[in-house]
Amino acid sequence: SQTIHQWPATLVQPVGSPLSLECTVEGTSNPNLYWYRQAAGRGLQLLFYSVGIGQISSEVPQNLSASRPQDRQFILSSKKLLLSDSGFYLCAWSVTALNQPQHFGDGTRLSIL
Amino acid sequence: ELKVEQNPLFLSMQEGKNYTIYCNYSTTSDRLYWYRQDPGKSLESLFVLLSNGAVKQEGRLMASLDTKARLSTLHITAAVHDLSATYFCAVDWAYNTDKLIFGTGTRLQVFP
Repeated sequence: SQTIHQWPATLVQPVGSPLSLECTVEGTSNPNLYWYRQAAGRGLQLLFYSVGIGQISSEVPQNLSASRPQDRQFILSSKKLLLSDSGFYLCAWSVTALNQPQHFGDGTRLSIL
Repeated sequence: ELKVEQNPLFLSMQEGKNYTIYCNYSTTSDRLYWYRQDPGKSLESLFVLLSNGAVKQEGRLMASLDTKARLSTLHITAAVHDLSATYFCAVDWAYNTDKLIFGTGTRLQVFP
């Protein structure tokens, strides 16, 4: 069966520090991968999606970047965090041909001080 | 602009009562998803609706899709406390990428 791992679960970082969040998927090949952010009490905003290694599409201009160095690994990064980067970050995967929903990781709660 | 709107945003209901959450979307799409989120947790998939007229049921929840009206409903029958959560609908608007636009969410509280 497929599983998705996301870490760390919580992170507290000072303004201006770098960021690296990692997400890995097991049990499937060539998945679509996604990074979302959820502000407190809000819905989900799609940040990045990837349909293959090295293929990244950004949905909104922001202080963040994403990379996909391996088929089942998706990384969210920042060189200098802003206060507005605080939120709940969720990684998700899907396989288009199966008409299945996106499956989400457990999320990372990021607080910027 | 692509929009997915849910109403109500907040719903407080008594156990045993019935209610419906509505999801309206502004783009052409024939795929709609419902998710549940418990406080502080990730999203759990509830239903996948793939065509006009699709209806899915699981326990006390039933979801339907009307692509012509661009409307989906999530009906709750005889609510119980365990259904307390936030419910999101999401619309697939870009074929072959599964890019989803999420609704605003409906926070449901069920009390005795």
